[in-house]
Amino acid sequence: QVQLQESGPGLVKPSETLSLTCTVSSGSMSSYYWSWMRQPAGKGLEWIGYIHYSGSTNYNPSLKSRVTISIDTSKIQLSLKLTSVTAADTAVYYCARGFHDILTGYYRHDSFDIWGQGTMVTVSS
Amino acid sequence: QSVLTQPPSASGTPGQRVTISCSGSSSNIGSNYVYWYQQVPGTAPKLLIYTNDQRPSGVPDRFSGSKSGTSASLAISGLRSEDEADYYCAGWDDSVSGPVFGGGTKLTVL
Repeated sequence: QVQLQESGPGLVKPSETLSLTCTVSSGSMSSYYWSWMRQPAGKGLEWIGYIHYSGSTNYNPSLKSRVTISIDTSKIQLSLKLTSVTAADTAVYYCARGFHDILTGYYRHDSFDIWGQGTMVTVSS
Repeated sequence: QSVLTQPPSASGTPGQRVTISCSGSSSNIGSNYVYWYQQVPGTAPKLLIYTNDQRPSGVPDRFSGSKSGTSASLAISGLRSEDEADYYCAGWDDSVSGPVFGGGTKLTVL
């Protein structure tokens, strides 16, 4: 069973860069879309962006100027970098795999079937 | 402010049937698939319904999804205490060119 695990600093200073890694275990990254989401405490989910196994990316327009998602298929990892952070970026950050619809064979980028446990990131000086 | 609109709360007693609504627009629900996620507090979301009305393997058939126009619904029949969680609708939005979520509905089993 594929598992995802986020890792990175739990505390980031304002104006600095948030950097997280998601390690994929017991599975391949091939053919899938891989996303990052976040959830502020007590609030809903926000999609940050996704990257395809091939390396193509798509970002939430509200964060696009500050976000970079990359993939290292040799290490079976994906990474998130969010620059110029503020307190508004404080949230639990999740990585997730795009859903593979077995019935159609379609690898989806609009839904997510496997999620990491999430990692809390606080932006504070 | 979430792109998709859900009621903040819903409740029911064990065995009852409850529905959770999700309202969107022509750029999201009206022209794309709807998905539903279940999130027990402190844990990651779990995919509950995909492409409007399909259940992933392992999801009980007590859960069902439907879509009509720019709205969608999640129905839970035979309500159980372990169904107490937050439920989120989601889907692709053509204006955002990415997935969007509802604000979530907290389901309480009385």
